[in-house]
Amino acid sequence: GDSVTQMEGPVTLSEEAFLTINCTYTATGYPSLFWYVQYPGEGLQLLLKATKADDKGSNKGFEATYRKETTSFHLEKGSVQVSDSAVYFCALSADSWGKLQFGAGTQVVVTP
Amino acid sequence: DAGVIQSPRHEVTEMGQEVTLRCKPISGHDYLFWYRQTMMRGLELLIYFNNNVPIDDSGMPEDRFSAKMPNASFSTLKIQPSEPRDSAVYFCASRPRDRALEAFFGQGTRLTVV
Repeated sequence: GDSVTQMEGPVTLSEEAFLTINCTYTATGYPSLFWYVQYPGEGLQLLLKATKADDKGSNKGFEATYRKETTSFHLEKGSVQVSDSAVYFCALSADSWGKLQFGAGTQVVVTP
Repeated sequence: DAGVIQSPRHEVTEMGQEVTLRCKPISGHDYLFWYRQTMMRGLELLIYFNNNVPIDDSGMPEDRFSAKMPNASFSTLKIQPSEPRDSAVYFCASRPRDRALEAFFGQGTRLTVV
């Protein structure tokens, strides 16, 4: 079945550091890929997405590129802020219904 | 639009009691999903609807769980009887018909069964 694997956290960084969260997937066909972010006590918000190979999703300084050859969708940000502290979920959608398969989530803690 | 609205935000109940969680999807969205989030199992899909019709409930953990969508603007997830292991955050999400568009999540209901 479809699955998403992302690096375990927590990831602790200083403000202005570079952030990478690795995400790899297994799926039949050509899934859409997503990064969702969950701030404390909140629901999930879409951060960015990519619907086909080599697409780059970007938002709020975050980027991720859909790499079919390595089945990866790594999230990066060049300079994190304290406000980026949250849990980040990589997810895929591989069918017409749009149901999401999530990774385990990676907690990111950014310190001043 | 106000987004996906879930109620209540927090629910504390005693084991054996019936619990009903509510969701109002975004107007015009054709798909509605119920997810559960726990520390042990992460985010799991419980059930989803298309145009108010349940499509797949294979993620519902037990017969104690049931979900309905009587109309396009309302869905419920019911647990009867509730057990402590049902304690989790339950999320509702809705999505437009266009598959390229993403799902929008509600704030979630934090359920604690004591």
